[in-house]
Amino acid sequence: DAGVIQSPRHEVTEMGQEVTLRCKPISGHNSLFWYRQTMMRGLELLIYFNNNVPIDDSGMPEDRFSAKMPNASFSTLKIQPSEPRDSAVYFCASSLDMDTYGYTFGSGTRLTVV
Amino acid sequence: KNEVEQSPQNLTAQEGEFITINCSYSVGISALHWLQQHPGGGIVSLFMLSSGKKKHGRLIATINIQEKHSSLHITASHPRDSAVYICAVKETSGSRLTFGEGTQLTVNP
Repeated sequence: DAGVIQSPRHEVTEMGQEVTLRCKPISGHNSLFWYRQTMMRGLELLIYFNNNVPIDDSGMPEDRFSAKMPNASFSTLKIQPSEPRDSAVYFCASSLDMDTYGYTFGSGTRLTVV
Repeated sequence: KNEVEQSPQNLTAQEGEFITINCSYSVGISALHWLQQHPGGGIVSLFMLSSGKKKHGRLIATINIQEKHSSLHITASHPRDSAVYICAVKETSGSRLTFGEGTQLTVNP
């Protein structure tokens, strides 16, 4: 398995533009997580899906952020409109059973909003 | 006070030294994770612990549930061990991970 695949690896966009980050979890994993990492706040959970259903979105900063998981093999995190303070590395992780097998992280998407 | 605290924040060692990184937490947990993040940013899961001790190569992780404390040890450290080591806990209630701020380890040749 190729692991958790995120795209793009890097994204530079202008303030106000829509940004879409993509994640393909490991096949068979039933949980998917979106995390954000900044220097100031470290790693933070944004949203968590189980069996494609959003379970905990309390970490989503505001209405400009939305996440979807239309099927078991694909998820998107969208920011519209983007702002410079959204600049961060966004990680996707998936898990088969969080308490038994832990998590596998993707390589991250480094987002820069100018 | 953070729910997960790591110490030290920064650690510099000479190649070959034995290294210990500590993690203390204040909530009830079902599991504790040690993660490694290299320059360039990729995150690798090293260990998941709910009790006792685990060993993988030169890495050893221990947890004391009663004391709410975990340690990550690296024996015979090597420059390639230079990375940020992050402790994260999964609370008993819920599914989210709460992360420590990380320990930046630099191993000099």
